[in-house]
Amino acid sequence: AQSVSQHNHHVILSEAASLELGCNYSYGGTVNLFWYVQYPGQHLQLLLKYFSGDPLVKGIKGFEAEFIKSKFSFNLRKPSVQWSDTAEYFCAVNFGTNDYKLSFGAGTTVTVRA
Amino acid sequence: GAVVSQHPSRVICKSGTSVKIECRSLDFQATTMFWYRQFPKQSLMLMATSNEGSKATYEQGVEKDKFLINHASLTLSTLTVTSAHPEDSSFYICSARWDLAVDSTDTQYFGPGTRLTVL
Repeated sequence: AQSVSQHNHHVILSEAASLELGCNYSYGGTVNLFWYVQYPGQHLQLLLKYFSGDPLVKGIKGFEAEFIKSKFSFNLRKPSVQWSDTAEYFCAVNFGTNDYKLSFGAGTTVTVRA
Repeated sequence: GAVVSQHPSRVICKSGTSVKIECRSLDFQATTMFWYRQFPKQSLMLMATSNEGSKATYEQGVEKDKFLINHASLTLSTLTVTSAHPEDSSFYICSARWDLAVDSTDTQYFGPGTRLTVL
């Protein structure tokens, strides 16, 4: 069955540390991949997305993600986090359908300590 | 651009009553909107796809008679929770797909969510 998994439930790190959040999916076909962020009390915002082309995707706020097809992964990275990056991060996948449906991972809570 | 609003932001109702939640795309047209449910500390679960001018498409396990969806215009979809019960208490989030997005037509923009509490 198609699924999306995020490995880390809660990540705590200090400012200026590097961040990497894992996302894997199970599906052998074409996928569209997304990372969304939800800051405390706010709605989901798109960080970045991958449809095709360069597997290294750059998004807003200094985030990037790399699609590794052989590993069915789309990990999110940021070289140096700030306190304002404290949020919930969701990986989402469209499993190659034309109905634009998204399946979400469980989410990762990131807490950045000043 | 690409702002989606929801109303109300929170609602408390008695068991057995019906509650309507509105989702609006404020500055773009959306023939397709989605309704999600989010439980505390959990991810978003897609409930249904709302299609302007046609019937909604419900995900497996979602009761269509309980969660009525109407997509009356290109900027408005409504979710009505009929005969609500405490187990329907949740955070309901809508999203809208921007039909004419320049970069891609496959991006959803999310509303701020509606917290429903059924007593």
